[in-house]
Amino acid sequence: KAGVTQTPRYLIKTRGQQVTLSCSPISGHRSVSWYQQTPGQGLQFLFEYFSETQRNKGNFPGRFSGRQFSNSRSEMNVSTLELGDSALYLCASSLARGTGYTEAFFGQGTRLTVV
Amino acid sequence: DAKTTQPNSMESNEEEPVHLPCNHSTISGTDYIHWYRQLPSQGPEYVIHGLTSNVNNRMASLAIAEDRKSSTLILHRATLRDAAVYYCILRDGPLYSGGGADGLTFGKGTHLIIQP
Repeated sequence: KAGVTQTPRYLIKTRGQQVTLSCSPISGHRSVSWYQQTPGQGLQFLFEYFSETQRNKGNFPGRFSGRQFSNSRSEMNVSTLELGDSALYLCASSLARGTGYTEAFFGQGTRLTVV
Repeated sequence: DAKTTQPNSMESNEEEPVHLPCNHSTISGTDYIHWYRQLPSQGPEYVIHGLTSNVNNRMASLAIAEDRKSSTLILHRATLRDAAVYYCILRDGPLYSGGGADGLTFGKGTHLIIQP
């Protein structure tokens, strides 16, 4: 079956703009999580959505937001982009939320560059 | 999620077994031990997970110490394609893990180098 699909793969934006990234989870998966990866901070959890509701959020400012649709597809939005937002943004889907006994499947990520 | 400690890097030769250690002395009784790896320019990839007993799958084996304070990921015959950063992560088992971030907490991981 198809894996997790993230679009676009690459994006260049100007400081101050906003950006929307998309994630299509594996069919049947209802939990979608987002992560930011930078060379300095590594992989950091942004937020998780399950059944169209944000269940948990990591330690990121309010400029980072997201949503999940009824078909489990998810989008994340970053407003008022800063240079430090340049990163690889990864989406992961799971069959169920937050459980220790299920694995997460990651997409290839969206490489965002803010200039 | 409880904290894990891994070596920054390890080096091995192709076609030899690789043992990647992970210490998790503060593990709780309901924490599962997960391993993920990230190949260059790709998203993380699930490798294996376990609770108390040793586990095997097509990719690797997971050996869990009897006191569960440490574990070892075993790649039985390393190939060049196994060169990646390997992350050892603890995840709470119950369905609803309560308050706090529900995502995976990635540390720095172990950078595995495979020599031909």
